[in-house]
Amino acid sequence: EVQLVETGGGLIQPGGSLRLSCAASGFTVSNYYISWVRQAPGKGLEWVSLVSNGGTTYYADSVKGRFTISRDNSKNTVFLQMTSLGVDDTAMYYCARDLTSTKGMDSWGQGTLVTVSS
Amino acid sequence: SYELTQPPSVSVSPGQTASITCSGNKLGDKYAYWYQQKPGQSPVLVIYQSFKRPSGIPARFSGSNSGNTATLTISGTQAMDEADYYCQAWDSSTVVFGGGTKLTVL
Repeated sequence: EVQLVETGGGLIQPGGSLRLSCAASGFTVSNYYISWVRQAPGKGLEWVSLVSNGGTTYYADSVKGRFTISRDNSKNTVFLQMTSLGVDDTAMYYCARDLTSTKGMDSWGQGTLVTVSS
Repeated sequence: SYELTQPPSVSVSPGQTASITCSGNKLGDKYAYWYQQKPGQSPVLVIYQSFKRPSGIPARFSGSNSGNTATLTISGTQAMDEADYYCQAWDSSTVVFGGGTKLTVL
């Protein structure tokens, strides 16, 4: 069974850092594009970052220079290191897989909530 | 940056056909994807490559994409289809989502 499990969310003060994890089972992350997508409370979906099957990384302009996506193939896990967090980063963070960037994000995790507040 | 525009809300009576549009510059030259999200749940892919349905998605869901507009059509809409729907496309190796459409079945 394909499963994605996000962990690492929590309450963090503005300016702080947090690392999110996306642990995969039932498939190999290095064969897929893995994206992080966030959703602020009551708002729509916002793409954040992705790592391709080849290891290339991409970022939304809103997080470029502050967030870093990485992948540990031995743990079958993708990470999102977030720094210089602001209140606008408060959101549910989901990870999702896409086979080739043309098949759509066909499996999503349950999300992990990040709250940036003093 | 590339933008996708959706109507904030669409209403439909049970059993009728609902159409949700997604507009973007030359969107028809790209693939469009559609996701359904119910309250408190993660998004679910319902259409990929503009008109294909993933396994397990009912046949009442269909998609089209031409010119500047992609359309998600739900035929014979059921109460369980009430949800938020998001379109998505790729542009310059980045992912773009539309703002979402709340579908109300009443």
